[in-house]
Amino acid sequence: DVKVTQSSRYLVKRTGEKVFLECVQDMDHENMFWYRQDPGLGLRLIYFSYDVKMKEKGDIPEGYSVSREKKERFSLILESASTNQTSMYLCASGYTDTQYFGPGTRLTVL
Amino acid sequence: AQSVTQLGSHVSVSEGALVLLRCNYSSSVPPYLFWYVQYPNQGLQLLLKYTTGATLVKGINGFEAEFKKSETSFHLTKPSAHMSDAAEYFCAVNRNRDDKIIFGKGTRLHILP
Repeated sequence: DVKVTQSSRYLVKRTGEKVFLECVQDMDHENMFWYRQDPGLGLRLIYFSYDVKMKEKGDIPEGYSVSREKKERFSLILESASTNQTSMYLCASGYTDTQYFGPGTRLTVL
Repeated sequence: AQSVTQLGSHVSVSEGALVLLRCNYSSSVPPYLFWYVQYPNQGLQLLLKYTTGATLVKGINGFEAEFKKSETSFHLTKPSAHMSDAAEYFCAVNRNRDDKIIFGKGTRLHILP
């Protein structure tokens, strides 16, 4: 079974803090993705990576950056967290016709 | 630009009744189409997908969907709802058949006893 794991299920941070969300996949996928999920808005793509050290902006990259130093790990970074970044963050890996999702990290910024 | 429209943010059906969740897409080329399900406090799980070939696609848990090019639709159905089907369902389209997927806003399915 494909496994995508995320470092935390729940996270509470304060405004202005630097936040790291980690994602690890065990299927040797080249493509990895970070989404944000908000009620009534569905999933929106923040960033994706198609190879180590390669990244491309998604639909809502503002306020976020990413890092992919190893194939299995893709990190989402909030340089200075703000309250409007309170959300559910989902990581995925996979191919054109299938993506596998992690369980999500619910981030609250106070 | 491609987009996905799910009709109804909330749908309620009685246990044992037909489930119909509607999805329409816009695409400049024949797309890949997906339905994902999200159970409470979990990530998304692929229910079924259409890539090529047969337009009626069968998925897990008794769900199926039919790709209708003339109607640009990919509606999800299940003949008989079960309490365990209560979840949020997302229709999605692959953008130009590359690796980026566009998701609809989701439909929350409620099952009434």
